[in-house]
This record gives sequence, C-alpha cells and structure tokens, in this order.
Amino acid sequence: QVQLQESGPGPVKPWETLSLTCTVSGGSMSNYCWSWIRQPPGKGLEWIGYICSNGGTSISPSLRSRVTTSVDTSKSQFSLNLSSVTAADTAVYYCAKYHYDMSTTLHTHLDFWGQGTLVTVSS
Amino acid sequence: QSALTQPASVSGSPGQSITISCTGTSSDVGKQHLVSWYQQESGKAPKVMIYEDTKRPSGISNRFSGSKSGNTASLTISGLQAEDEADYYCFSYTDSNTWVFGGGTKLTVV
Repeated sequence: QVQLQESGPGPVKPWETLSLTCTVSGGSMSNYCWSWIRQPPGKGLEWIGYICSNGGTSISPSLRSRVTTSVDTSKSQFSLNLSSVTAADTAVYYCAKYHYDMSTTLHTHLDFWGQGTLVTVSS
Repeated sequence: QSALTQPASVSGSPGQSITISCTGTSSDVGKQHLVSWYQQESGKAPKVMIYEDTKRPSGISNRFSGSKSGNTASLTISGLQAEDEADYYCFSYTDSNTWVFGGGTKLTVV
C-alpha cells in the first residue's frame, strides 16, 4: 500500500517561496507520475501539476509562471516550489500518485493521496 | 483552463438515488475516457470512487456508478446512505496535457 506524506517549513511570508516535499513509502516511484493539488479553506480542489519519475512535467496554466517541481527517486521524494506567494495561496496542499494503466499506457486517475498540509501565507 | 461545471449542492433522502453532473468541453470531458470522481469527507483527503468514466475501484460500493454523454459526465449514487454525505469532485484530463477539477458538489442526505 503506497503512502504519501507532505512536509514543509510552516507559515510563509508574502512574496516568499513556498516549498513542499512529498515522501513516498510502500512502493517504487519509478514509472509513475506524481501530482500536487491544493484546496483553499472552504473551497474546491485545484490541480497544480504533475511530475513523472522520468522528469516529465505539466503545470496548470494559471500557476505555470510561479511553479517548479522536481523529483528524487533515490530519496522517494518529489517537491513543489511556488514563488511570490500571496494570501490567495493559503491552502491545504496535497500530494498524490497517478494510477498507470499498463494496457493503455495512460495515467488515468489519482489513486493514493497524502493527508494534506495547511500552508498559511501571512506576514 | 476553467474548472468543470458541477452543481454546488444536491440532496436526497436515504434509499433514494441522486446524480451529480460534470460539464466540460470537447477538449476535456469529451476528449478521452479519463474522467474520475472523488469523494471528500470533511477534513479528509479525497478518495477515488469512479475512474475512466465508468470504472469502480475495488472496495467501492456498487451503489456508485459513472456515465458520460458527450461533454457531460455523471456520478450516480443509488440507495443513498447517511455515510454518503460528503463533497464530490470530478476530474478530467485535457487536450493541453493538463488536468482540471470540477468546482465540487456538496451532497446532503436529509
């Protein structure tokens, strides 16, 4: 059973960079893609982007100018950096794993999620 | 890209059936068979209930079913139970190689 755990430094000041790491256990990171999702308090889910074990990435157009992602399969970790944050970036941030369908070679849905971590942007 | 359109809320009585719609475009929902549905209970991480439009993961009750017609996907819950009360989100791949969530639907079991 794959498990994911988000970790980060805690509160972030406006205009600083938010950095989060997701640690994967119970399975290999290889041949999978890994996603970041966020949820502002009381609001809906927002897809941030994904990074695959081979380094391939895709980022939401609305966040593309501020987001970088990386993966370190040797440490079973992938990371998110979101620059120039404002109060609007306050949210619970989730990491999740894409399911890979070998018969279609498609990543089809998010099958395992972390518990989420609340990141507050405040001076 | 805009969020997929879902009703903000739906309600039903125990034993009834409800359907939640998820409307997109031919560039996302209507593009491939890659719509999934997630249940989010209060304070918890989302959980997949339906994937690839109509498939149900092991361990998910057969009271949950998915369908799609054109650019609109739907989640139906039959035999509604109190434990089904939660927020539900659809999620779709897009032809820009990105993914997008619906705005979410709050299900109330009255």
